[in-house]
Amino acid sequence: GQSLEQPSEVTAVEGAIVQINCTYQTSGFYGLSWYQQHDGGAPTFLSYNALDGLEETGRFSSFLSRSDSYGYLLLQELQMKDSASYFCAVNRDDKIIFGKGTRLHILP
Amino acid sequence: KAGVTQTPRYLIKTRGQQVTLSCSPISGHRSVSWYQQTPGQGLQFLFEYFSETQRNKGNFPGRFSGRQFSNSRSEMNVSTLELGDSALYLCASTAEGETQYFGPGTRLLVL
Repeated sequence: GQSLEQPSEVTAVEGAIVQINCTYQTSGFYGLSWYQQHDGGAPTFLSYNALDGLEETGRFSSFLSRSDSYGYLLLQELQMKDSASYFCAVNRDDKIIFGKGTRLHILP
Repeated sequence: KAGVTQTPRYLIKTRGQQVTLSCSPISGHRSVSWYQQTPGQGLQFLFEYFSETQRNKGNFPGRFSGRQFSNSRSEMNVSTLELGDSALYLCASTAEGETQYFGPGTRLLVL
């Protein structure tokens, strides 16, 4: 089958750095995407890795290693507004498959 | 550009009824996908429409159906509602590439 695994919850301190991992058991996909969803809101696109390596967008960075079937989202200088759920997703056979999401808790 | 819009935002139905949800994509986007989101299962892909044709379908029973109109607006229908259909239904539109732009969702409660 095809699935993406993420930790269900992660806790970090305001101002710190946190990494949210995503491992997958699927192949032949085009790239790995990350989405953020606040409580009561819709998922919003954060980043996309088409190639192996690191993509940086401001405080957020995302990494992909196809050989390791692994990716991660790195959030730096955490702010309270970063408290949300984060989903990794792949596009395979024109279907978007999402992980079950990681709930990020930020402590003051 | 206006974002993806969905109507209604909230809906309460009883078991056995049917429901129709509507989604208007971002202007110029021809692909519309539908997802069911529940606390236990996360985001589950329902189906995708492109140029009025269903291009992909997830693993949902036939009670879940959809269509897309010539203006790219899409509707999804759920017949014979069950308690387990209570969820947030999200639609997302895509131009080219893979980035999904989500609407605010329709929260359906089945009693």
